[in-house]
Amino acid sequence: SQQGEEDPQALSIQEGENATMNCSYKTSINNLQWYRQNSGRGLVHLILIRSNEREKHSGRLRVTLDTSKKSSSLLITASRAADTASYFCATVLLGGGADGLTFGKGTHLIIQP
Amino acid sequence: DTAVSQTPKYLVTQMGNDKSIKCEQNLGHDTMYWYKQDSKKFLKIMFSYNNKELIINETVPNRFSPKSPDKAHLNLHINSLELGDSAVYFCASSVPIGDTQYFGPGTRLTVL
Repeated sequence: SQQGEEDPQALSIQEGENATMNCSYKTSINNLQWYRQNSGRGLVHLILIRSNEREKHSGRLRVTLDTSKKSSSLLITASRAADTASYFCATVLLGGGADGLTFGKGTHLIIQP
Repeated sequence: DTAVSQTPKYLVTQMGNDKSIKCEQNLGHDTMYWYKQDSKKFLKIMFSYNNKELIINETVPNRFSPKSPDKAHLNLHINSLELGDSAVYFCASSVPIGDTQYFGPGTRLTVL
């Protein structure tokens, strides 16, 4: 069954603005990961945050994790046209590393030049 | 230099045929996976393979079978293809298990 739900499903902003995407999940996790998928391409890993971590940064990306609310957010600061893509959160369930990633439905982000 | 590669990139075939998709990773990872992405872009795990242990998602029809000739390869074989099998199939690998996954470019399968 689906684990993650991203919100919003689609987001359109102006270049230079910040973009925030949210993800909620249902069961206890080992870690939560964010991936980007450009149109017609494979998935690219962005950030992994473990269940005992609350915040992580990577360049213009900031990810937070609230295990009490079973939610995560991805913030992209100073967006660029090249950030246009679909963004997926994915969870590894507690004790379920061998089960692979459980993906949400994704947020389609469009950066207007 | 491609970390995870898949062939073919596109596969168009008739219903009822049997086809295979190949996947190779040169990262030295112990675990490999197959995912299916449907027309609504929803991604779902199909299989994970770690140290000769295969874990199958219960929703995957037994017409689908992964085959691993060695640690660097996990091929996907599909028997008696159906219209509903049309999707993009992604191979991925990771180490350690449950950590960051590296995805291949995908294989778009179209069943006519």
